[in-house]
Amino acid sequence: EAGVVQSPRYKIIEKKQPVAFWCNPISGHNTLYWYLQNLGQGPELLIRYENEEAVDDSQLPKDRFSAERLKGVDSTLKIQPAELGDSAVYLCASSAGTRSGEQYFGPGTRLTVT
Amino acid sequence: GQQLNQSPQSMFIQEGEDVSMNCTSSSIFNTWLWYKQEPGEGPVLLIALYKAGELTSNGRLTAQFGITRKDSFLNISASIPSDVGIYFCAGLPNTGNQFYFGTGTSLTVIP
Repeated sequence: EAGVVQSPRYKIIEKKQPVAFWCNPISGHNTLYWYLQNLGQGPELLIRYENEEAVDDSQLPKDRFSAERLKGVDSTLKIQPAELGDSAVYLCASSAGTRSGEQYFGPGTRLTVT
Repeated sequence: GQQLNQSPQSMFIQEGEDVSMNCTSSSIFNTWLWYKQEPGEGPVLLIALYKAGELTSNGRLTAQFGITRKDSFLNISASIPSDVGIYFCAGLPNTGNQFYFGTGTSLTVIP
C-alpha cells in the first residue's frame, strides 16, 4: 500500500512569491492534515479535513495561506505571498478518521524563502 | 493550545543500552501516539495507545499509557545505531479533536 505522497520535496523561492504544496493521502483515508514543522519543534496543525470539508482551520494564517481538498482526496496548500518566516517543513498526514488516532505522514516539503 | 512536555530533550547513549523517555501534559488525554523522525523524512508511527494503563510493544520498543492519563512513556531496549532520530509523542485531549505534538527527544546511539 502506498503511503502519503507529497510534492515537491524541496522548494526555494524569493519572498513575496507564491508557492503551492500537493498531498495525496493513503487510499481510503478520509481525514487529511496539514502540519507546519519548524526546526527543532514538533509538528503544529494548520488545517484538518474530513473528506472535502475543512473542520479545523483555526491555526491557518488565512491572510496568506489557503488550502483545498476539492474531491475529498488530494489536497493543495498555498502560500501567497510567502514571507521569510514561512521557511519550514510542511507535512501532510492522513488517517482513517479523526479519533482513530493513527496518522500517517508524508515525507514533507522543505520550503526555503530567501 | 495544549502543551506536551517531552524529556529528556536529548540523549547520547552507547549501543546496547536501554532508553527511556516520557511525555507529560497538564490535561487528560484519550490517545497517545509515539513517532520517530529521521532527517529529511516525515514522522513514522511507532506505537498507538488508547487506554489508561495500556502497555504495547513493537519489537524492542515498549510504550505505556499512564494511569493518570496525563503522561506516556517510551522505552527502547538494547539500542542499535539505526535507533538514531527524534522521537515525538502526540496526544489527543479528552476534549477536542486535535492531536498535539511534543517537542521531541533526540536520540544519538554511539557504536
